[in-house]
Amino acid sequence: QVQLVQSGAEVKQPGAAMKVSCKASGYTFTAKYIHWVRQAPGQGLEWMGWIYPGAGTTRPAQKFQGRVTMSMDTSISTAYMELSSLSSDDTAMYYCARDAAGNSFDSWGQGTLVTVSS
Amino acid sequence: QSALTQPRSLSGSPGQSVTISCTGTSSDVGGFNFVSWYQEHPGKAPKLIIYDVTQRPSGVPDRFSGSKSGNTASLTISGLQAEDEADYYCCSYAGYYTVFGGGTKLTVL
Repeated sequence: QVQLVQSGAEVKQPGAAMKVSCKASGYTFTAKYIHWVRQAPGQGLEWMGWIYPGAGTTRPAQKFQGRVTMSMDTSISTAYMELSSLSSDDTAMYYCARDAAGNSFDSWGQGTLVTVSS
Repeated sequence: QSALTQPRSLSGSPGQSVTISCTGTSSDVGGFNFVSWYQEHPGKAPKLIIYDVTQRPSGVPDRFSGSKSGNTASLTISGLQAEDEADYYCCSYAGYYTVFGGGTKLTVL
């Protein structure tokens, strides 16, 4: 079955960078888009961007342009999301999600909690 | 890329029906038939319950249904059950971008 497994929780200092991994299994990794979504404590879902492993193309949300880097390693079916210049506003649960087709996210990682604190 | 507009909260009694609205623009909800809905229980990852405006993934009860008119999409839950108490998010394709709604907290009385 389709499964996305994310890296573990992190604590970062303001100004630092974070990098979350998302290992896919149960399907052809290069055939589906991977999206990144975050959720601040008590807040709603916020779309961050996508990567298409089949071509290595990415599309970050305008809010994160210049600060987010999405990448992948097809040899290990893993997508990565790196966010730089962290502030306390970036404290959130970060999810990767598979786009089955037409912008429908049918499988989600378990989430990675990133806390930004001095 | 402004968030889609959803009511912040709704409530209903077991057995009743509730409808959650999701209002966007012609650049997102109104422009494409790629609206999806997600159910989120506390401490859990979101779960896809409706895609392509009206389609239900395998395993999702037919009590959940979706529709769209103009720039507004809707999720209807009929025959409310206690386990339906959760947060619900709409999501729309917006031409290379994606936008979520602010979320609706559904309480089953």
